[in-house]
Amino acid sequence: NAGVTQTPKFQVLKTGQSMTLQCAQDMNHEYMSWYRQDPGMGLRLIHYSVGAGITDQGEVPNGYNVSRSTTEDFPLRLLSAAPSQTSVYFCASSLQGKVRNTEAFFGQGTRLTVV
Amino acid sequence: GDSVTQMEGPVTLSEEAFLTINCTYTATGYPSLFWYVQYPGEGLQLLLKATKADDKGSNKGFEATYRKETTSFHLEKGSVQVSDSAVYFCALRSGAGSYQLTFGKGTKLSVIP
Repeated sequence: NAGVTQTPKFQVLKTGQSMTLQCAQDMNHEYMSWYRQDPGMGLRLIHYSVGAGITDQGEVPNGYNVSRSTTEDFPLRLLSAAPSQTSVYFCASSLQGKVRNTEAFFGQGTRLTVV
Repeated sequence: GDSVTQMEGPVTLSEEAFLTINCTYTATGYPSLFWYVQYPGEGLQLLLKATKADDKGSNKGFEATYRKETTSFHLEKGSVQVSDSAVYFCALRSGAGSYQLTFGKGTKLSVIP
């Protein structure tokens, strides 16, 4: 079982460059989300999606775009990278977002450095 | 809004020592509570969960009891091993229709032989 797959695992960008972090899940999950993990900050929600064609902002959405054209894929786009976006990014999916005891499954993470 | 507060780390223990990681929460609805574990270089994975008051979640020797009266969900293990070295996150999902998992800041545990 692949679960949640993120690519790339590591990336170095120059300030101002753009890139897309890929996330795919093969569990037919309805709900997908992106988090960033920073030292001493825990995980903070960037964007989330409750189904194909539906996305919404989380706690720290500025500088990031998302789209959900299929159930499986939920890419995260950095439009113009800034050093403040240096972080570890995690994609997660859940079977049903509205069920409060639903487990979230996480990808392995993408470590992004912006220089 | 929802929030989770965990004890500050890092925590260093000797092998076979008793572990407690404190977690308290505030929530707008009736939340489900989770502990996630992150091993070095990996993503988060569910360790255990509890969905209503007085429920006890358990897995791999770890336990946590949902205490509604004290809004707490402390993680315990009677005898830790070197392989338990990881970062532990307490989290909740509110029962008020929220889609979001709210995480604590994480507690890094190091177990030394």
